[in-house]
Amino acid sequence: EAGVAQSPRYKIIEKRQSVAFWCNPISGHATLYWYQQILGQGPKLLIQFQNNGVVDDSQLPKDRFSAERLKGVDSTLKIQPAKLEDSAVYLCASSLAPYNQPQHFGDGTRLSIL
Amino acid sequence: SQELEQSPQSLIVQEGKNLTINCTSSKTLYGLYWYKQKYGEGLIFLMMLQKGGEEKSHEKITAKLDEKKQQSSLHITASQPSHAGIYLCGAEPSGSARQLTFGSGTQLTVLP
Repeated sequence: EAGVAQSPRYKIIEKRQSVAFWCNPISGHATLYWYQQILGQGPKLLIQFQNNGVVDDSQLPKDRFSAERLKGVDSTLKIQPAKLEDSAVYLCASSLAPYNQPQHFGDGTRLSIL
Repeated sequence: SQELEQSPQSLIVQEGKNLTINCTSSKTLYGLYWYKQKYGEGLIFLMMLQKGGEEKSHEKITAKLDEKKQQSSLHITASQPSHAGIYLCGAEPSGSARQLTFGSGTQLTVLP
């Protein structure tokens, strides 16, 4: 079974620029998550989708972050404009259902803001 | 909000030694998940615990959830260099908000 695919693996941009990340979940997984992991910390949930609807985006900084999951499969996360504090690893995960099921993670995108 | 504490923050052991990592929640949990992460990679799912007193094992790793469902331990028997990495616990709180909250992780180094 193919795992969660993410691209790009690394991205370096200057502050105030924009950036987008892409995620393709495991086939058949209805629930998709985006996490932000700052060095030395555990992942923090940014947004959770159930099919193509948003379940929870309470921790998403909506003035600069946006995410979509058109057609309930692939998802993109965008940051515009980026700030220095956005330097982190952005992880995508998917699961069969929103609870009682383990989440499976991609390798993440490491974002550096100069 | 859910508070999740992991201890120790880091651990260095000699190959062949046993070790235990703890994860403590400030609230009763619906579920507790253990993950392993290597630097530059994503999280690898290890085990999921949901019932008070539950214990699961996979190869040389055993995870337990206490009866009150507020504390979990991860035990590695006869550690190997391949066990090295960051171990993270993720808590699924009881109640309507079921999103996972993660601890800060335990960095494990196994010396050959």
